[in-house]
Amino acid sequence: GENVEQHPSTLSVQEGDSAVIKCTYSDSASNYFPWYKQELGKGPQLIIDIRSNVGEKKDQRIAVTLNKTAKHFSLHITETQPEDSAVYFCAASKEYSSASKIIFGSGTRLSIRP
Amino acid sequence: GAVVSQHPSWVICKSGTSVKIECRSLDFQATTMFWYRQFPKQSLMLMATSNEGSKATYEQGVEKDKFLINHASLTLSTLTVTSAHPEDSSFYICSAPDYTQETQYFGPGTRLLVL
Repeated sequence: GENVEQHPSTLSVQEGDSAVIKCTYSDSASNYFPWYKQELGKGPQLIIDIRSNVGEKKDQRIAVTLNKTAKHFSLHITETQPEDSAVYFCAASKEYSSASKIIFGSGTRLSIRP
Repeated sequence: GAVVSQHPSWVICKSGTSVKIECRSLDFQATTMFWYRQFPKQSLMLMATSNEGSKATYEQGVEKDKFLINHASLTLSTLTVTSAHPEDSSFYICSAPDYTQETQYFGPGTRLLVL
């Protein structure tokens, strides 16, 4: 089955700097890669996603890149703010199939230093 | 927008009792729902896929007789933790794909504490 690896496990950046989180996946059939932000005691919230027919996607300060050949995808947060502090999860899925279960990476705890 | 709710948000029970957790899709019909478990400072681990009108599909290592799943309608799936023990204490999260919106929505989670 699918295996998603994520690093780093913790990341501390100065407010205003950029943060990058990287993931790899194992199943070449995966075609949907969402990123989630989870705050303490809450369920994960989708912040951005990318599908396998696209190499890059941007939404304001957040961008995601996908390299299908290498099975790598990354999250980039620019101009970080204190409210960006949370745990971030990458994930992979085979969308549009009965097996559209989402497999999560191990998570990155992002801390923004004021 | 579409929302997935869970009830209760938290529950404390005695060891040996059973606990039922509900997952509802509020604005859309969900023929499939997923149940995850998350231990402190760990990732979400998929437990099972809940299918409306048929048996759930469990991931390897998840005891189907301990974690009973019922998907009785297109908007409701329930997870029952039977004969709960302290090691079952965890954060249980459900999700439901809305294929019309090409999005999968996650519930807010249910925190279970077994004493």
